[in-house]
Formats: sequence, C-alpha cells, structure tokens
Amino acid sequence: AQTVTQSQPEMSVQEAETVTLSCTYDTSENNYYLFWYKQPPSRQMILVIRQEAYKQQNATENRFSVNFQKAAKSFSLKISDSQLGDTAMYFCAFQGAQGGSEKLVFGKGTKLTVNP
Amino acid sequence: DTGVSQDPRHKITKRGQNVTFRCDPISEHNRLYWYRQTLGQGPEFLTYFQNEAQLEKSRLLSDRFSAERPKGSFSTLEIQRTEQGDSAMYLCASSQDGTTNEKLFFGSGTQLSVL
Repeated sequence: AQTVTQSQPEMSVQEAETVTLSCTYDTSENNYYLFWYKQPPSRQMILVIRQEAYKQQNATENRFSVNFQKAAKSFSLKISDSQLGDTAMYFCAFQGAQGGSEKLVFGKGTKLTVNP
Repeated sequence: DTGVSQDPRHKITKRGQNVTFRCDPISEHNRLYWYRQTLGQGPEFLTYFQNEAQLEKSRLLSDRFSAERPKGSFSTLEIQRTEQGDSAMYLCASSQDGTTNEKLFFGSGTQLSVL
C-alpha cells in the first residue's frame, strides 16, 4: 500500500520569503501522480500543483514549484515570495496510475503560517 | 459555476442515530468523490462515482455507510447507527472528465460530531 509522509507538522515563514515543505512517499509503482493541495481555514481544499512521475521536469505554477526526486521518492513544495494568503494546511497526495484505483492518498499535512 | 456545495456544514448527533449528508457537485462534472478527514490527519478516501455508478469503495466504508448518486447529479452519504468514531469532517469533491490525474474540486465539508 502506498504511504505519504510529511515530516513537518508546522512551519512558519516571514512574508516575502521562501519556504520549502517536505514530502516523501512509498510505492512500488513506476508511474503515478503527485499533488500538493492547500486547505485554508475555510476548509475548502484547493489544488496547488501536480506532477506526473514520468516527467523529469519539475512542475511550476507561478510562485509554487516542486522538487521531484523519483529515486529518493521525494516531492517537496517551494513557495516563493510568501504571502499572507498562503497561510493554510498543505497536504501532499499520491495517486497511482496502475490498478484502476482513483483514490488519492494524503499525508497528514503541514500547517504553514506566513507572518507579516 | 458555484463550486461544490455540501449540506449541512455542521451536524451534531447522538450515538446510534442516523445521519445523511448531501453533496452537489459542479454541474456537468462526471465524477464525485467522498473523503473523510479526522483531526490532525489528511483526508481518507471513502468512495467515488462515475455518473450514477459507484465504482470504488474503501474498506473504511463499513456496512453502516451507504452512498448514492441517483441520476448522476447530487450525492448523499448516509451513516446508520452512528458511533463516536464517526466524528470527522466529510469532504465531497468532483471532477469533470474522469481521467486519472485530474484536478479535484472540493467542497467545504460537513463536520460531524457524534456525542
């Protein structure tokens, strides 16, 4: 079974600075997808960024980028120029591409606080 | 497009009672998912529908849980004979095309408290 581990329960960063959230996962599959979702206090989860395992190039979405290390099974999220609105829980998630399951497997999350 | 809507937002019930939650996905989204999130944990998959067909169920979905999506539009999740361990946030999500890796749109969840 796949597992996702986020080793940082809480992190904080000053506004305009850069922060990196860690995620590792365990799978025996060769092809899969990885995601970062954000859950603000409003509770509604929002997709931040996604990566396909067969793509070597790291995904970027504006201020958000990932460092995907397939061999190490690591998928970290870098937030540049942090903004107060980035304050939220961040969840790393795994989705297998084989076996027909459509479920996402989430980590326990990292609570990020952006300080003014 | 008003997003994924869930009702009620909060539900408090006594142990042993039945509860039902409703989810209205984004219109024309073919897939609908239910997840459960307990305090300090990430969401856990419960089940999903492709239109009206329930295609996958987690082992977490005991026989006290039942989900339906009649006519492939809104969905209901019913929990019978609730237990204190059922206390959690129940999240609904939908997606448009039903392909793997697709972006999920989540609702704000229903927070269930079983006393």
